[in-house]
Amino acid sequence: ETGVTQTPRHLVMGMTNKKSLKCEQHLGHNAMYWYKQSAKKPLELMFVYSLEERVENNSVPSRFSPECPNSSHLFLHLHTLQPEDSALYLCASSQERGGRGQYFGPGTRLLVL
Amino acid sequence: AQKVTQAQTEISVVEKEDVTLDCVYETRDTTYYLFWYKQPPSGELVFLIRRNSFDEQNEISGRYSWNFQKSTSSFNFTITASQVVDSAVYFCALMNTGFQKLVFGTGTRLLVSP
Repeated sequence: ETGVTQTPRHLVMGMTNKKSLKCEQHLGHNAMYWYKQSAKKPLELMFVYSLEERVENNSVPSRFSPECPNSSHLFLHLHTLQPEDSALYLCASSQERGGRGQYFGPGTRLLVL
Repeated sequence: AQKVTQAQTEISVVEKEDVTLDCVYETRDTTYYLFWYKQPPSGELVFLIRRNSFDEQNEISGRYSWNFQKSTSSFNFTITASQVVDSAVYFCALMNTGFQKLVFGTGTRLLVSP
C-alpha cells in the first residue's frame, strides 16, 4: 500500500464515547500532522510530530490526544467530544525541512451526536 | 503573520472553458513555498504543485498552469479546457522554511458542468 492511509473513513460517536483515529504513511517521511477541516473554515493545523516528538500543539482542547509511536503511525484519541468537533480530520506526512510539501490521507469524517 | 486569501468562494463553468483560481498571500519571510492542492469529493487533498519563492517562472503541466507574481504576492492557477473531473475544491497554501507549517486559504469550489 502506498501513500497515506487513514482509518476509519467515517465515524459516528456519542459525546461520552472514546474512539481513536489511525493514520499510517508509507512514504518514508519523518514528520506527521493532524488537521481539522470544518465547513466553511480554513484547514486548521492541530498537531505536528517530527521524529516521533510532538513539536506543535495549536491550542487544541485536551479531549483530543495525539500519539505517535513511530515515524509511520499517528493516532488521534478522542474522548468526551462535543458536537462542534464534527469535521473531517486529515492526516498528512512530510520529510522534515525538505520543503517538499505534505502528503495527505483521505481523512476521517467524524460526526459527534 | 502569514495569511492566504482565496477570494473566490465558488466558480461555475461549462466544460471546455478556461478558468483561473486566484490566490493572494501575505508573509514577512523572504524565503517560502507556495502550494496548490485539489480536494475532490472523496476528501483527500491531492498535491498539485510547489513553488519556491525564488523561482518566479510560470509552470505548465498539461491543462494546468500557474502564474507566480511576487510583486503582487499572487500565485494564480489556471485550468485550460476544463473537464467535469476538475470539479473539486482547490486550496492554495503557504509554508515558511523554518518548519513545515502549511497555512491554507479557505478554498475555491470549482463546478464544471457538461
